[in-house]
Amino acid sequence: SYELTQPPSVSVSPGQTARITCSGDALPKQYAYWYQQKPGQAPVLVIYKDSERPSGIPERFSGSSSGTTVTLTISGVQAEDEADYYCQSADSSGTSWVFGGGTKLTVL
Amino acid sequence: EVQLVESGGGLVQPGGSLRLSCAASGFTFSSYSMNWVRQAPGKGLEWVSYISSSSSTIYYADSVKGRFTISRDNAKNSLYLQMNSLRDEDTAVYYCARVGYYYDSSGDYYYYGMDVWGQGTTVTVSS
Repeated sequence: SYELTQPPSVSVSPGQTARITCSGDALPKQYAYWYQQKPGQAPVLVIYKDSERPSGIPERFSGSSSGTTVTLTISGVQAEDEADYYCQSADSSGTSWVFGGGTKLTVL
Repeated sequence: EVQLVESGGGLVQPGGSLRLSCAASGFTFSSYSMNWVRQAPGKGLEWVSYISSSSSTIYYADSVKGRFTISRDNAKNSLYLQMNSLRDEDTAVYYCARVGYYYDSSGDYYYYGMDVWGQGTTVTVSS
């Protein structure tokens, strides 16, 4: 079955830039989406179609894509950004949706 | 207010059945595809099933194929997940999520991602 691979954890100090990667063979064909989840809460969409930001999401959140890897970048990280982040996409046929394993962002 | 509210979770024995519901409000439910997504305790998100707006297209994760059935009633603004032959590993919080969409300036259709989520309902499979 198709898999997306994320690093388990990323740590940054406030004001620094956090980069979270997500790798998958079908990413050149399928768009990626990123979700933020804080403890005890439902996920929130922060990036769609690889690099687009939904309304209401701060400009410090951005996304990019290169080959089989997509990257979520959080510039000027704030304490409130501490959360789990999940990438999501689909297999090459588009019939099986998949999430990455998630990355815990710690703000030091 | 755009809202999704799940219900129907609970404690069930292995091999048992449960039916989850998701009530939608604040938007035109019949225009949107929907997903079920689950999260086992302390684990990551797992996509479970997808249903298109008219129910014409349905997909399942391999882990639930043949045991779970997704359905919807657009007249009742409701989404359902019938879960049979439940296993310990089905224990999770189950979320329903709206699949947003938009048309670009060329008229091409794009998924917007899962842009609205419910608060989740907890399913515990245990003897």
